[in-house]
Formats: sequence, C-alpha cells, structure tokens
Amino acid sequence: EDQVTQSPEALRLQEGESSSLNCSYTVSGLRGLFWYRQDPGKGPEFLFTLYSAGEEKEKERLKATLTKKESFLHITAPKPEDSATYLCAVRSYSGNTGKLIFGQGTTLQVKP
Amino acid sequence: NAGVTQTPKFQVLKTGQSMTLQCAQDMNHNSMYWYRQDPGMGLRLIYYSASEGTTDKGEVPNGYNVSRLNKREFSLRLESAAPSQTSVYFCASSPGTGFGMNTEAFFGQGTRLTVV
Repeated sequence: EDQVTQSPEALRLQEGESSSLNCSYTVSGLRGLFWYRQDPGKGPEFLFTLYSAGEEKEKERLKATLTKKESFLHITAPKPEDSATYLCAVRSYSGNTGKLIFGQGTTLQVKP
Repeated sequence: NAGVTQTPKFQVLKTGQSMTLQCAQDMNHNSMYWYRQDPGMGLRLIYYSASEGTTDKGEVPNGYNVSRLNKREFSLRLESAAPSQTSVYFCASSPGTGFGMNTEAFFGQGTRLTVV
C-alpha cells in the first residue's frame, strides 16, 4: 500500500535557525513527489515537484531534495512568515489513477 | 486568475440533511479531486475524476457522491449528512490525466462543513 509519513509533526524554530522536514514514502512506482504549504484557513499552495532521486529544487529560503525513499525540505534562516503547515504528497504508478497521496504534514512555527 | 473556486465557504447542516458542494476550475485541467481534511488525519481523497465523464472512488467515499458536470465543474453531494462528515473539504485540479498524471494539483480555499 502506498504510504507517506512526515516528521516531525510539529517544529518550533527561532528566526534564523535552519532545519529540515522529512517526508518518507513507500510507493509502487513514484511519478512525482510534491511539497505544499498550507496557511491556517487556506487551501494547500504548491511549492515544488521532484521526479527522480538526486533532484533538488529551491525557492527563496526553501530547498527540496529527493532520494529513493525520502524527501527533505530544508529551511535556511527561516523568518516568522515561513510559519505554516508543510505537506508532502506523492503520485504512484498504482492502477491507472495517478492520485495524490498526502502525508499528515509538519506544522512549523518560527519565532522572532 | 480565479484558479479553483469552491462554494459555499462555510455551511452548517443538521443530521440527515443533504447538500452539494460546488467546485469549478478555469485552468482547462483534465483531472479534478475532492479531499477532506481532519485534524490528525491529513488530506484524504474522497473521489476523483481523471477526465471529463469519469469518476472513481478514493480512500473515503462512503456517504458521498460526485458528478463531473463538464470539464470545469466537479460537485460533491452528501445525501444524508452525519456528524462524522464534519470536516474541511477541498477541491483540487491538475492538468494531466491517466498515466500522464505526474503534475501538481492546485487547490481551492476549502468548504468548512459542520454537521450537528
């Protein structure tokens, strides 16, 4: 069964304190791993897509990396406005669907 | 650039009442989805439509029905609402279809539904 697990569930950082969020996945055939940001009361907002092991994507203070079993979202020198829930999702080869399977998310709080 | 639009944004229902959640996208996407989000459970797929005219069950389809009215619109119906269906519902769309569905999905702002 396809599965996505994110850790930690919650993370508190001081402004400027870099850290990483983890997304471990088990899928029959990966057709893309996606990172989203979700602010309270809003829908998930797309950040990155990664397709193959070794791939990296960057956007401002965020950098996403991918291995064959997990992905990391590295946050460098975070600011309070980076506070949000970060969601990881995968698409797999299972069946003919391509449906997205989400992890439970990591809630990040960055204190000034 | 509206993207994915959901209506209503908030709704309170009594147990046993029915309602339809509406979703429309203006990005000419082929695939559309309905998710529910509950504390501690993450986003769970209810139904999806890989292309106009097709719908399939996701992880938690019981108690729901869907209609892919046309390429733009995908509605979710609760025939007899139950307190367990209290949740935040998100509609999403993505460009790809079938085995080409390796693209990201774009989400609406959600419908917050309470069943009392």
